[in-house]
Amino acid sequence: DTAVSQTPKYLVTQMGNDKSIKCEQNLGHDTMYWYKQDSKKFLKIMFSYNNKELIINETVPNRFSPKSPDKAHLNLHINSLELGDSAVYFCASSQRDRNTGELFFGEGSRLTVL
Amino acid sequence: AQSVTQLDSHVSVSEGTPVLLRCNYSSSYSPSLFWYVQHPNKGLQLLLKYTSAATLVKGINGFEAEFKKSETSFHLTKPSAHMSDAAEYFCVVSDRQGYQKVTFGTGTKLQVIP
Repeated sequence: DTAVSQTPKYLVTQMGNDKSIKCEQNLGHDTMYWYKQDSKKFLKIMFSYNNKELIINETVPNRFSPKSPDKAHLNLHINSLELGDSAVYFCASSQRDRNTGELFFGEGSRLTVL
Repeated sequence: AQSVTQLDSHVSVSEGTPVLLRCNYSSSYSPSLFWYVQHPNKGLQLLLKYTSAATLVKGINGFEAEFKKSETSFHLTKPSAHMSDAAEYFCVVSDRQGYQKVTFGTGTKLQVIP
């Protein structure tokens, strides 16, 4: 059973298009995250949701809009894609009341904008 | 405020020789510390974690790390490198407060030479 699953795994699209990445976790965690990993492997948090409420919203362009329909799902929609959006996007989850900060990651979604 | 510094961006070792990946951190609170491994085109997998119990932490695949508060370090070691250890390694600090701010290091790429 995959604990944190993301779809699609690969996404190639043209500049200006709109795309979505979906994430689901079956760990029963209450907190989910989106991270962006650039070509230098640097990981930067974008958003975090706790029980469907947005709790972390780093400096991210408004073109990025997360949505959490329930605490097991966190989707990321990107409007008007730009070349600089090309990256690997990782979904992660954690259980806040365990108070350790341990994250469980999906396998990533590689977005290439042409 | 918290930060984490991985002192080497690349480490190269011969198969069968010891591995040392260095990590220093700063945190205003008693932190949790983690090492994650990322194999090519894969998500991040937890290697080991320190959460205020034993300062010498053993992880998967023969890795271990020692939490040294006086040196603010959490270096990752393995007695004998294996070809399958070639990957990117991330040191991570979490403040375990509130929404558990998690900060990633910039990563160390481990190369294992046959």
